[in-house]
Amino acid sequence: EAQVTQNPRYLITVTGKKLTVTCSQNMNHEYMSWYRQDPGLGLRQIYYSMNVEVTDKGDVPEGYKVSRKEKRNFPLILESPSPNQTSLYFCASSLTWQETQYFGPGTRLLVL
Amino acid sequence: AQSVSQHNHHVILSEAASLELGCNYSYGGTVNLFWYVQYPGQHLQLLLKYFSGDPLVKGIKGFEAEFIKSKFSFNLRKPSVQWSDTAEYFCAVKASGTYKYIFGTGTRLKVLA
Repeated sequence: EAQVTQNPRYLITVTGKKLTVTCSQNMNHEYMSWYRQDPGLGLRQIYYSMNVEVTDKGDVPEGYKVSRKEKRNFPLILESPSPNQTSLYFCASSLTWQETQYFGPGTRLLVL
Repeated sequence: AQSVSQHNHHVILSEAASLELGCNYSYGGTVNLFWYVQYPGQHLQLLLKYFSGDPLVKGIKGFEAEFIKSKFSFNLRKPSVQWSDTAEYFCAVKASGTYKYIFGTGTRLKVLA
């Protein structure tokens, strides 16, 4: 089944404890992206990747890192999480940057 | 900077009522436009998109949207809503030649049975 998977789905952590949220797609998509969803703010793009080893900042990249070493994986790294990064995170992928994005199920993160 | 405005944050309708959700964007060049829907507890999924051609775009589940370039708008419509259309709807814009997507803040639609 074609899908975008994210792990973990739920995470509670404490300020400053590094964490990684994984994202994987099995559709051989080139374009991948991370968003955060906050009430009243909609979805905001954090980082995106046009292909392996090619990444760039979205609108809210501060406090996040990404890597794209393989086509299928696009992990989101929070080196030192803070409470303002408490949010619902979505990974998405598309065949190319012009095509329809397919979203993962979301990761709900709480930073205490 | 590009932005997307969805002026209706919450909409409540009765079944069979007509729906129109507004979406306006600020960007003077060529854009790609999208409407996504997020049903309760589910992933975001694409309703429809506009890249070029006929400005009236038909999507899934009876939804359609009209691109009016002069008004920088891409409003979503459905002639007769159903209870199952209860969801949050997001308009999104991608400026041609860029790789970034800008989403609106979303509109929560509640359809009363």
